[in-house]
Amino acid sequence: EAGVTQSPTHLIKTRGQQATLRCSPISGHTSVYWYQQALGLGLQFLLWYDEGEERNRGNFPPRFSGRQFPNYSSELNVNALELEDSALYLCASRGQPNTEAFFGQGTRLTVV
Amino acid sequence: ELKVEQNPLFLSMQEGKNYTIYCNYSTTSDRLYWYRQDPGKSLESLFVLLSNGAVKQEGRLMASLDTKARLSTLHITAAVHDLSATYFCAVVLNDMRFGAGTRLTVKP
Repeated sequence: EAGVTQSPTHLIKTRGQQATLRCSPISGHTSVYWYQQALGLGLQFLLWYDEGEERNRGNFPPRFSGRQFPNYSSELNVNALELEDSALYLCASRGQPNTEAFFGQGTRLTVV
Repeated sequence: ELKVEQNPLFLSMQEGKNYTIYCNYSTTSDRLYWYRQDPGKSLESLFVLLSNGAVKQEGRLMASLDTKARLSTLHITAAVHDLSATYFCAVVLNDMRFGAGTRLTVKP
């Protein structure tokens, strides 16, 4: 069974550009979480989607947005990129509420 | 808002020693996960704790949950070098919030 897949693996953008990151959850999982992990730091909660709806978002500016598609895959969009947006972006998916969430390998975003 | 605090943030251990990592959280929850992250890698699930008093063990690691104290512990027994990694706890309420992580280094 395929795990959580994220694309692209690496992404280099220029300040002011837009970035789109993608996440395919494990088959049957309806919840998708997005996190930002700056180098050497912890995971900062970005967004939670479940059953196609945004359920909660973390303390990030509106230029961080996303959506979940009918097949439960998800997209994270970051507009007007800033240098401090450089980080590893991790996506996790979960099925039933009392089961663990599984993480993808992440997208390393570098803003130059 | 849910706050999750881990301590210590950095832990250097000798092989063969025991130690405990603590995870405190601010709001009642009965679901807590522990993850491991190796440098440059993603997170690997270690334990799922779903009720007060839950205890799970895998090899040299044992995790427990006290929902009344809002505290989970990850106990390391007779540490070996392969356990060197960063360990995160995550508390599930409406979403999933992580502690800052404990960077564990096990030295010979």
